[in-house]
Amino acid sequence: DTEVTQTPKHLVMGMTNKKSLKCEQHMGHRAMYWYKQKAKKPPELMFVYSYEKLSINESVPSRFSPECPNSSLLNLHLHALQPEDSALYLCASSPRFGSGETQYFGPGTRLLVL
Amino acid sequence: GQSLEQPSEVTAVEGAIVQINCTYQTSGFYGLSWYQQHDGGAPTFLSYNGLDGLEETGRFSSFLSRSDSYGYLLLQELQMKDSASYFCAVRDGQRSGGYQKVTFGTGTKLQVIP
Repeated sequence: DTEVTQTPKHLVMGMTNKKSLKCEQHMGHRAMYWYKQKAKKPPELMFVYSYEKLSINESVPSRFSPECPNSSLLNLHLHALQPEDSALYLCASSPRFGSGETQYFGPGTRLLVL
Repeated sequence: GQSLEQPSEVTAVEGAIVQINCTYQTSGFYGLSWYQQHDGGAPTFLSYNGLDGLEETGRFSSFLSRSDSYGYLLLQELQMKDSASYFCAVRDGQRSGGYQKVTFGTGTKLQVIP
């Protein structure tokens, strides 16, 4: 299984809602990532988990809260988002801590905040 | 800081060869990757250069010159399905939490025409 899956594919939420994005991989990878991508822009790194521990937080606002329940799962909890947070949210994984040359991306969740 | 420059758009004819360049400025350097992203899709890994020279994978080749801080992706025998955005990504020496961060370039939108 060389796939990273993400749910939901699309999400529309109001600014007062609470929602969660989910990501799963069964490749035995020990590093998992959340990226945000706006239209016609490159992916921007948000968080990195290594061995289920948060290693990198790229100064992301607290309305985004990541969680790594186990080595296969990664969640992103959303609360009180702003319309400018509308974007494609990509999850990725890589085989080992510190390896950045090959990341496997999920299909993304397209988020619209109204 | 880090910067990776790519041409924003390239148009090429089906069956032809196209080269997409990437120049970078980073604090420390550990390798250059290339990713392909179709509209509405997730980035998919194409190739990685950790050392100077040419890496070939089927119709795609990637080149790196560390002394010139420069690399390129070469696509041969272009097909219509190659129309996509192509991102270079540098694994650089920012050791935040012990992790070598990956930074994506600005992206090149390739349009293949009949």
